[in-house]
Amino acid sequence: AQSVTQPDIHITVSEGASLELRCNYSYGATPYLFWYVQSPGQGLQLLLKYFSGDTLVQGIKGFEAEFKRSQSSFNLRKPSVHWSDAAEYFCAVVFPGGSYIPTFGRGTSLIVHP
Amino acid sequence: IAGITQAPTSQILAAGRRMTLRCTQDMRHNAMYWYRQDLGLGLRLIHYSNTAGTTGKGEVPDGYSVSRANTDDFPLTLASAVPSQTSVYFCASSDSASTFFGQGTRLTVV
Repeated sequence: AQSVTQPDIHITVSEGASLELRCNYSYGATPYLFWYVQSPGQGLQLLLKYFSGDTLVQGIKGFEAEFKRSQSSFNLRKPSVHWSDAAEYFCAVVFPGGSYIPTFGRGTSLIVHP
Repeated sequence: IAGITQAPTSQILAAGRRMTLRCTQDMRHNAMYWYRQDLGLGLRLIHYSNTAGTTGKGEVPDGYSVSRANTDDFPLTLASAVPSQTSVYFCASSDSASTFFGQGTRLTVV
């Protein structure tokens, strides 16, 4: 079955530390891959996306993500976290060949300590 | 640029009442979606529409209905609300590259 998994429910980091949020998918081919961020009480904002080509994708707010076909992963990274990065992060996939409907992981809540 | 507008922003609703959540987009996207967001469950698809005049069921469609009379509007109706429908509801639309979200409607059914 096609699915997307975010293994970490919560991640806590200190301000200035590096960050990596994990995302794995289950699909027979390469899906389209997205990361979204949701601040409290807000909607979802697109951070970055991967369709094809260069496997390292740069996004907004200093985030990047790397697609690894061999691991079926699309992990989100940031070299130095700011307190304003505290939010909920969602990985999403679109499985080509069917309806273009985004499927979301359950989200990872990022907590930033001063 | 308005993007996607949802109304109301929040609502407290008595169980058994009928409620329509409104969603309007000004991007002329063909595809639109309704998701509900619940703690620990992420976003789950309720209904979707690939183009005006067509709709489909998502992962959790029971108790909800939608219509897509034109490209811009995609209302979600709860025919008879139940407490388990307490949630935050997000409307979204897609072009071929990205999905855009409204700010959400926080619905409490009591």
